[in-house]
Amino acid sequence: QKEVEQNSGPLSVPEGAIASLNCTYSDRVSQSFFWYRQYSGKSPELIMSIYSNGDKEDGRFTAQLNKASQYVSLLIRDSQPSDSATYLCAVKASGGFKTIFGAGTRLFVKA
Amino acid sequence: GAVVSQHPSRVICKSGTSVKIECRSLDFQATTMFWYRQFPKQSLMLMATSNEGSKATYEQGVEKDKFLINHASLTLSTLTVTSAHPEDSSFYICSAETGSGTDTQYFGPGTRLTVL
Repeated sequence: QKEVEQNSGPLSVPEGAIASLNCTYSDRVSQSFFWYRQYSGKSPELIMSIYSNGDKEDGRFTAQLNKASQYVSLLIRDSQPSDSATYLCAVKASGGFKTIFGAGTRLFVKA
Repeated sequence: GAVVSQHPSRVICKSGTSVKIECRSLDFQATTMFWYRQFPKQSLMLMATSNEGSKATYEQGVEKDKFLINHASLTLSTLTVTSAHPEDSSFYICSAETGSGTDTQYFGPGTRLTVL
């Protein structure tokens, strides 16, 4: 059973702080890694994708991938109350395999 | 780019009726589309995977005769909930995969179904 594990939270951080969201996965042949944000009552929205080991930055978001440790994380700098949402980690192996979603981490940014 | 639409956004129906939900990729051709269901405060649950021109692949426990999926073109997939009952009330979300090699899924805005 391929699994993607996330801490359900809630993770609470003050406004302006760095929020760190973590995800581990079980399938070693995973090739594609995604972070989605889901606001309450809405559908998931793609934030970042990462395919190679290391860091990938996009604005206030940084995704970090370590395939040896089977670990992917998302850092949100200068967190804002509007960042309060559930963040879903998703992992896919190449070659037609399904994308596996984690259960999500709820983030709460306090003003 | 990579916009997925879903229609309707909200539907209320009586028990025993059928409801059709449309999912369209607006600016790309989707090799594969997915249908998810999400109950309040719970995770996404994949119901089925559909490829254009072929039968959908249903996840274990999902009744294929109750949740009919048609993927008529590279930009349109439909989900029909047949003989809906109150327990089918949920948030139904489709997604489409670009098939560009990165296999990124883009989600539609979802359809909230309430069965009375």
